[in-house]
Amino acid sequence: EVQLVQSGAEGKKPGESLTISCRASGYTFSNYWIGWVRQMPGKGLEWMGIVYPGDSDTKYSPSSQGHVTISADKSVNTAYLQWTSLRPSDTAVYYCARLNGDYSQYHDSWGQGTLVTVSS
Amino acid sequence: SYVLTQPPSVSVAPGQTARITCGGDNLGTRGIHWYQQKPGQAPVLVVYDDVARPSGIPERFSGSKSGNTATLTISRVDAGDEADYYCQVWYTSRDLLYVFGTGTQVTVL
Repeated sequence: EVQLVQSGAEGKKPGESLTISCRASGYTFSNYWIGWVRQMPGKGLEWMGIVYPGDSDTKYSPSSQGHVTISADKSVNTAYLQWTSLRPSDTAVYYCARLNGDYSQYHDSWGQGTLVTVSS
Repeated sequence: SYVLTQPPSVSVAPGQTARITCGGDNLGTRGIHWYQQKPGQAPVLVVYDDVARPSGIPERFSGSKSGNTATLTISRVDAGDEADYYCQVWYTSRDLLYVFGTGTQVTVL
């Protein structure tokens, strides 16, 4: 069974750094892209970026580029989402998800989500 | 930028059929995927590649597409189907790879 388990909720102040994680099991981690999706309070789903654990290739959405870093460590089957300087507008639930598909790519398994709250 | 438009809300009586639409340019050439998100939970894939259902998803959930509009149909709706539903495409542009629809809240009356 494919499982993605994310790290726990975080409360941070503006300007602080943060890394959240997504540990995969039940499949060959290196062979599938992992995506990160943001959901701000009361809002919809927003794609942030993806990483391919096999070679650490990454792609970012225009709104995420330069503000977050996505990475993966295949030795521990874990993907990461990192901020060096958080903003209050980063307050959201962040989901990781495995990407699958040949004709088109879809998110077939999701983590439980990590709530990040940024407030002074 | 590429936009997928969904109605904000759909209301349906128990036992009836809910239809959720998703519109976007050139949708006919792109695979459409649908997710269900219940309050406080992670999204769940319910339809992929326009019409396919993952294992464990009831046959009551079906997808279709005509021109630039895709539709998720939920037959014999029950209270457990009350959730937000999102469509998604794989955009494959240089800058924007995955686009989610605006989301539709389904209310069971």
